[in-house]
Amino acid sequence: AQSVTQLGSHVSVSEGALVLLRCNYSSSVPPYLFWYVQYPNQGLQLLLKYTSAATLVKGINGFEAEFKKSETSFHLTKPSAHMSDAAEYFCAVTRPGLGGSEKLVFGKGTKLTVNP
Amino acid sequence: NAGVTQTPKFQVLKTGQSMTLQCAQDMNHEYMSWYRQDPGMGLRLIHYSVGAGITDQGEVPNGYNVSRSTTEDFPLRLLSAAPSQTSVYFCASSYMAGGSEQYFGPGTRLTVT
Repeated sequence: AQSVTQLGSHVSVSEGALVLLRCNYSSSVPPYLFWYVQYPNQGLQLLLKYTSAATLVKGINGFEAEFKKSETSFHLTKPSAHMSDAAEYFCAVTRPGLGGSEKLVFGKGTKLTVNP
Repeated sequence: NAGVTQTPKFQVLKTGQSMTLQCAQDMNHEYMSWYRQDPGMGLRLIHYSVGAGITDQGEVPNGYNVSRSTTEDFPLRLLSAAPSQTSVYFCASSYMAGGSEQYFGPGTRLTVT
């Protein structure tokens, strides 16, 4: 079974500071990993994904994440926070496979607050 | 393209009532799924479908039914609503499961009293 753990349900940073949202995964096979963002009262939007190509993945809005197999981690970073980054962020994992049997498993989310 | 659409946006039900949450996509995606989102729980998979006529259970299927008669539509039925089903429900679709991006609808906020 696959699982995702997001460390910290709430993270607060100052505008212009580094954003670091932590995600660790558990998977018996090489995983596919995703970060989604949810703005208030909206659905989820894909930020970036790792599907076994480059381990450093760049996404939208200046975010990036690095897949580290040895640490089973996929942390999300952004060098300089903007007020518009305030949202809830979800890490998710699935496994490659055939026949559509994969299921996306989400972490519990990290709510990011950006202070002026 | 409208993407993934969900109706209604808000719904209040009494315990024991039934209803259907509608989900449609116009991207010709084979894979569709329903999630529920509860505070501090993330999103949990209720049911999913890998194509018309094929559905399967996710993590929390009890109390919900689905069917997939067309590629476009994937309705979620609550058979007898319970307060524990108060949640925000999201429908999602993707070209295929696994590495493809899932596109999410705007959600349906359901309250069961």
